[in-house]
Amino acid sequence: QKEVEQNSGPLSVPEGAIASLNCTYSDRGSQSFFWYRQYSGKSPELIMSIYSNGDKEDGRFTAQLNKASQYVSLLIRDSQPSDSATYLCAVSMGKLVFGTGTRLLVSP
Amino acid sequence: GAGVSQSPSNKVTEKGKDVELRCDPISGHTALYWYRQSLGQGLEFLIYFQGNSAPDKSGLPSDRFSAERTGGSVSTLTIQRTQQEDSAVYLCASSLGGTAYEQYFGPGTRLTVT
Repeated sequence: QKEVEQNSGPLSVPEGAIASLNCTYSDRGSQSFFWYRQYSGKSPELIMSIYSNGDKEDGRFTAQLNKASQYVSLLIRDSQPSDSATYLCAVSMGKLVFGTGTRLLVSP
Repeated sequence: GAGVSQSPSNKVTEKGKDVELRCDPISGHTALYWYRQSLGQGLEFLIYFQGNSAPDKSGLPSDRFSAERTGGSVSTLTIQRTQQEDSAVYLCASSLGGTAYEQYFGPGTRLTVT
């Protein structure tokens, strides 16, 4: 069965700290990886996509991919209370398979 | 540009009634997806349309669920003889191509079956 695993959290970090969100996936052949942010009561919003091993930076967000370890992560630098949300990892495995999400809480 | 739109935003229906949910994808996006999200749960894939290909219906939970996509654009998800367990948020997404492409979600339709 094709799976994407995330720690459900909550992950609590103070304002200004780095939040590190992790995800593992089961299909070694996967080539496309995505991070979504979902605020309570809202639909998922695409934050980052990553396709190659290594790091990809966009503002305060950095996605990291290690295909050999089947691991993808999202770092949020200078975390803000407005970053408090559930972060969904999604991996293309024929269809897009979503993890159940990690809830992030950033305290002022 | 305009994003994915869905209607209605909220729908309350009685058990046993049929409902239709509509999705209007981003212009130019050839792929369209339906997902379901129950309260506090993850996203459940329902169905995927790509261009003129036969849809991937592998996620539909029962034969009470069906979907169509007319003219390669607007899609309608139909639930017949609704049950209380059908209560959820139904999300539509679209992408430029297949499942390797970035998907953009609409605001969802919250369905409540009483």
